[in-house]
Amino acid sequence: GENVEQHPSTLSVQEGDSAVIKCTYSDSASNYFPWYKQELGKGPQLIIDIRSNVGEKKDQRIAVTLNKTAKHFSLHITETQPEDSAVYFCAASFAGGGADGLTFGKGTHLIIQP
Amino acid sequence: DTAVSQTPKYLVTQMGNDKSIKCEQNLGHDTMYWYKQDSKKFLKIMFSYNNKELIINETVPNRFSPKSPDKAHLNLHINSLELGDSAVYFCASSQGFQPQHFGDGTRLSIL
Repeated sequence: GENVEQHPSTLSVQEGDSAVIKCTYSDSASNYFPWYKQELGKGPQLIIDIRSNVGEKKDQRIAVTLNKTAKHFSLHITETQPEDSAVYFCAASFAGGGADGLTFGKGTHLIIQP
Repeated sequence: DTAVSQTPKYLVTQMGNDKSIKCEQNLGHDTMYWYKQDSKKFLKIMFSYNNKELIINETVPNRFSPKSPDKAHLNLHINSLELGDSAVYFCASSQGFQPQHFGDGTRLSIL
């Protein structure tokens, strides 16, 4: 089955700096890679996703890059703000339109220092 | 309106008891899921249902039995609760190739 590795487990950055979280996956059949943000006491919320036919996707301060050959993808957050502090999860699945579950990385606790 | 809602939000019970968690989605999605998040925040798929049919059962003990009365609801019944069942259980839903939407979780504590 799929295995997703995520690094680092904790990331502390100064407010206004950039943050990068990296993930690798094992199953070359995976073709869908979402990123979720989880705040304390809440469920994971989708912040951005990318499919394997695209190398990069951007939404305001958030971007995701995908390298299919190397089987890794990364989340980039620019101009970090205090409200970006949360746990971030990468995930992978084969999005065949059925009921495919997501395989999650172990999460990155992002801390934005004021 | 909450898109994916779970009840109860907190559940504290004794070892050996039987309990249920309910999930409802008002997004019109065909597929619903249960995930378990352990004390280290690791999220793992347990079950998925598509149009009331079980699709995925990820090596979950048979003490866990999902039930989908209709495609807007997916309940999780757990028999003979054990200490290791303490976790946060998340329900999610999706439609076709679209992303999964998660509820806010049910925090289950076994005494």
